[in-house]
Amino acid sequence: DTEVTQTPKHLVMGMTNKKSLKCEQHMGHRAMYWYKQKAKKPPELMFVYSYEKLSINESVPSRFSPECPNSSLLNLHLHALQPEDSALYLCASSHGGRNSGNTIYFGEGSWLTVV
Amino acid sequence: AQRVTQPEKLLSVFKGAPVELKCNYSYSGSPELFWYVQYSRQRLQLLLRHISRESIKGFTADLNKGETSFHLKKPFAQEEDSAMYYCALKWMNSGYSTLTFGKGTMLLVSP
Repeated sequence: DTEVTQTPKHLVMGMTNKKSLKCEQHMGHRAMYWYKQKAKKPPELMFVYSYEKLSINESVPSRFSPECPNSSLLNLHLHALQPEDSALYLCASSHGGRNSGNTIYFGEGSWLTVV
Repeated sequence: AQRVTQPEKLLSVFKGAPVELKCNYSYSGSPELFWYVQYSRQRLQLLLRHISRESIKGFTADLNKGETSFHLKKPFAQEEDSAMYYCALKWMNSGYSTLTFGKGTMLLVSP
């Protein structure tokens, strides 16, 4: 099983709303990622968690708040977003750890529209 | 700095024609290259990684360190190959493996 599951698949939220995106994997991976993909653009890294600790934050605005409750789950909490934040948000995972040489697997993504 | 370049935004071919999607990279360390494919409104799927040297769906790619290239090839394109293809470089970002993607090439295969 090489599946990364993301919910919801689609989300429409207002600029004053608070919502969360969820990601789950049961492959025993210890590295989990959030990427953002705008239409017809490549995915761009937002955050990396390794062994449930935030390891990389690519200067993402604080209106995006990641959380890793355990080794299988990764959340992205959204608050006071802007319309330009509308995008496909991709979760990914890999075996992880420093200097790891493993493949990174992606979920289907959550399509977010901010109105 | 690491960089992945896919020079073609769009590649349009007829069914049965050979296909080559170009990818060049820039990285000071030991590169690990991947090809991902994204069909319309579907997940990003791993197609190939250079270390495994396998052929998936008839596609192959060879890492050429001298030319810093990892071009994706298929001898006979099929309509179902129409998709967005991303070349990606895995590199060590502050000690953690992350992927940097090229801008992607849309492959359109016409009947």
